[in-house]
Amino acid sequence: SQKIEQNSEALNIQEGKTATLTCNYTNYSPAYLQWYRQDPGRGPVFLLLIRENEKEKRKERLKVTFDTTLKQSLFHITASQPADSATYLCALKYSSASKIIFGSGTRLSIRP
Amino acid sequence: DAMVIQNPRYQVTQFGKPVTLSCSQTLNHNVMYWYQQKSSQAPKLLFHYYDKDFNNEADTPDNFQSRRPNTSFCFLDIRSPGLGDAAMYLCATRPTGGSGTDTQYFGPGTRLTVL
Repeated sequence: SQKIEQNSEALNIQEGKTATLTCNYTNYSPAYLQWYRQDPGRGPVFLLLIRENEKEKRKERLKVTFDTTLKQSLFHITASQPADSATYLCALKYSSASKIIFGSGTRLSIRP
Repeated sequence: DAMVIQNPRYQVTQFGKPVTLSCSQTLNHNVMYWYQQKSSQAPKLLFHYYDKDFNNEADTPDNFQSRRPNTSFCFLDIRSPGLGDAAMYLCATRPTGGSGTDTQYFGPGTRLTVL
């Protein structure tokens, strides 16, 4: 079965630096990959989607890359701020499936 | 504002006492999902509706049931909650037409405690 791996360790970054989060998957590549933000005690909020044939997507301070050779997506937050502190979930959708599969997330802390 | 609403936000029940969680949406989306999320774990899909068509995940326990009486509302019934059912329950919706059909819109969740 497909497996998604995100850094289980929390990531602590100094304000103003670029935060980079990793999502690795096994087996075949998904049709697309999404990143969600989840704050404590709240539901996930969609941030970005990148498709199998895309290398990079940007939205304001956010950037997502998708490398089907490495079976990896990287999620970058540039000029990080304490308000960016949250858990970030990676989710994959396969063409053959009707659902998306979530990773367990990486907790990001931005210190002032 | 269009949104996904879950009630209650916090639910405490006793071991074995049936409980119902509710979800409503003003987005008019065709698809609705129920997820279970335990601490520091990935959201786990329990079931979803495509309009009235119910789709149960193979590993969802029989203890969990769902109802969708109309487009706007969806309920999660836990017939006999066990201690292992304590979790955050997330409702999500997704449109099937127009742009954004790949995006799920989540409610704030209901935190279930089983005593």
